[in-house]
Amino acid sequence: GAVVSQHPSRVICKSGTSVKIECRSLDFQATTMFWYRQFPKQSLMLMATSNEGSKATYEQGVEKDKFLINHASLTLSTLTVTSAHPEDSSFYICSAPQGHGSTDTQYFGPGTRLTVL
Amino acid sequence: SQQGEEDPQALSIQEGENATMNCSYKTSINNLQWYRQNSGRGLVHLILIRSNEREKHSGRLRVTLDTSKKSSSLLITASRAADTASYFCATGANSKLTFGKGITLSVRP
Repeated sequence: GAVVSQHPSRVICKSGTSVKIECRSLDFQATTMFWYRQFPKQSLMLMATSNEGSKATYEQGVEKDKFLINHASLTLSTLTVTSAHPEDSSFYICSAPQGHGSTDTQYFGPGTRLTVL
Repeated sequence: SQQGEEDPQALSIQEGENATMNCSYKTSINNLQWYRQNSGRGLVHLILIRSNEREKHSGRLRVTLDTSKKSSSLLITASRAADTASYFCATGANSKLTFGKGITLSVRP
């Protein structure tokens, strides 16, 4: 199956700093990627849809200035958590659908564990 | 907002037994998907069933979909200790996936 990678897998940062997370589709092109966050023992919450060549679409309640998304190419989307605070500590997961149907099978990255001190 | 709601929330069974997990949803869907997540890892796609399908098989997995009841079930037959994980149903509609809260399955060796 298709492979999606994320980097870094874990990051610990100080409050007030910014953290960039990369999501790459390794063997296919993705015009759309999705970013989720997951709190311990909870479900995935969709944060935003990353669109190659255009602005990301954010879900209600997600601050676009806080969570900057850049879909630089057909294989790379980045999520930058700006001025991170302890409440931003979470597990961030990206996914990319293979195929034109954006709700067809999605391939998920392994996730990034962010801890803000 | 949460679309899918799985039950039970936690399930513990003996290796070799079958595990049945249910998912209910509220709005119209294009498809319903089941994913597995091992602790602290990403999600692995298990199976997708489209809204015009009623049953689908993949190896030891059997998924049913009842759109009139807005519900789906995932059956894992002959469970193995390696099946221990969290399982999520996700409904696909309007270009998005919405995940349920998940079911924690523990398979005792």
